[in-house]
Amino acid sequence: DAGVIQSPRHEVTEMGQEVTLRCKPISGHNSLFWYRQTMMRGLELLIYFNNNVPIDDSGMPEDRFSAKMPNASFSTLKIQPSEPRDSAVYFCASSFHRGRNEKLFFGSGTQLSVL
Amino acid sequence: RKEVEQDPGPFNVPEGATVAFNCTYSNSASQSFFWYRQDCRKEPKLLMSVYSSGNEDGRFTAQLNRASQYISLLIRDSKLSDSATYLCVVNMEAGGTSYGKLTFGQGTILTVHP
Repeated sequence: DAGVIQSPRHEVTEMGQEVTLRCKPISGHNSLFWYRQTMMRGLELLIYFNNNVPIDDSGMPEDRFSAKMPNASFSTLKIQPSEPRDSAVYFCASSFHRGRNEKLFFGSGTQLSVL
Repeated sequence: RKEVEQDPGPFNVPEGATVAFNCTYSNSASQSFFWYRQDCRKEPKLLMSVYSSGNEDGRFTAQLNRASQYISLLIRDSKLSDSATYLCVVNMEAGGTSYGKLTFGQGTILTVHP
């Protein structure tokens, strides 16, 4: 299995530009999570989907952030317009929802730098 | 108060030492508990689940105290390869429905030196 695949690995952009992060979960997994990690705040859950349906987006910082999951094998996280404070590592993770001890598999992350 | 709180460290220990990490969580209704490990510039990976009766996996022992809302991880005979950040993780979803939403602590940095 290829694991959770994220792209791009690194993204450098200028303030005000649109940024789109992509994620392909592990085949057969039915839950998908977007996390953001910074030194100051650690790992924060932004939004998660179950069976392609957004369940909880209360972690999304503001309206500039949006996420979609059009099918079971693809999700995007979009920031428009981007700001320097959005600089962080963005992780996508997936799991097979089965009770409470499911293992969460993370992608390698996207290192985002907004100048 | 943070939902999951850990001592950030760093812990610097010599090879062979025993080291313990602690973690507290705020939601008494939390159901599932884990320790994840994150190497520098890598993604977090599951180290072990934490069960009510305590559990062991080789040199690693995890304990849960529900009354005190406290989780611990003990590493015996530390190796250089144990150097990483250790994340305390809790599923705080209440009730019968769980989607696998996990809340992560800030992490405890461990450095094992020769």
